[in-house]
Amino acid sequence: EDQVTQSPEALRLQEGESSSLNCSYTVSGLRGLFWYRQDPGKGPEFLFTLYSAGEEKEKERLKATLTKKESFLHITAPKPEDSATYLCAVQAVGGGSNYKLTFGKGTLLTVNP
Amino acid sequence: DAGVTQSPTHLIKTRGQQVTLRCSPKSGHDTVSWYQQALGQGPQFIFQYYEEEERQRGNFPDRFSGHQFPNYSSELNVNALLLGDSALYLCASFRNNEQFFGPGTRLTVL
Repeated sequence: EDQVTQSPEALRLQEGESSSLNCSYTVSGLRGLFWYRQDPGKGPEFLFTLYSAGEEKEKERLKATLTKKESFLHITAPKPEDSATYLCAVQAVGGGSNYKLTFGKGTLLTVNP
Repeated sequence: DAGVTQSPTHLIKTRGQQVTLRCSPKSGHDTVSWYQQALGQGPQFIFQYYEEEERQRGNFPDRFSGHQFPNYSSELNVNALLLGDSALYLCASFRNNEQFFGPGTRLTVL
């Protein structure tokens, strides 16, 4: 069964204090790893899809990286508006699993001014 | 270009009732997935529709059913509501391995 574990559960940063969020995954074969941002009471907002180990993608202050067992979301010089829950999800290859996303519980990021 | 839209925004029902939630996918997207997100949890896959048929289903009971229309819009129906069905219900449309989510419907079962 596909599994996704995110750590830490919650993270508090000061504005400008860079850090990383971790997503560990277990999947029979990885089709894609997804990162989403979710604000309270709203739907997840798509950030990145990563497909193979070594791949990196960037968007503004966010950079996502992928290895064979985990992904990191690096946040450089965060601002208060980066405060949100960050969700990681995997999509598996083949069988009956290749259409759904399996999500972790998310990391709640708070950036204080 | 409108993104994924869902209706209603909020809904309050009592135990045993039935509910229908609606979703219109992003323009050009032909595949719709439904997810349930309990408070403090990640979204859980319910099922996915493509070409008006259920293509894959998660671990949800038969009380959860769906439908996709020729214009790719979709409905999620839940029968015999339980207190534990209270959650944010998310619709996602899918194309070229990108899934975009709607704002969700907050269902409260009393």
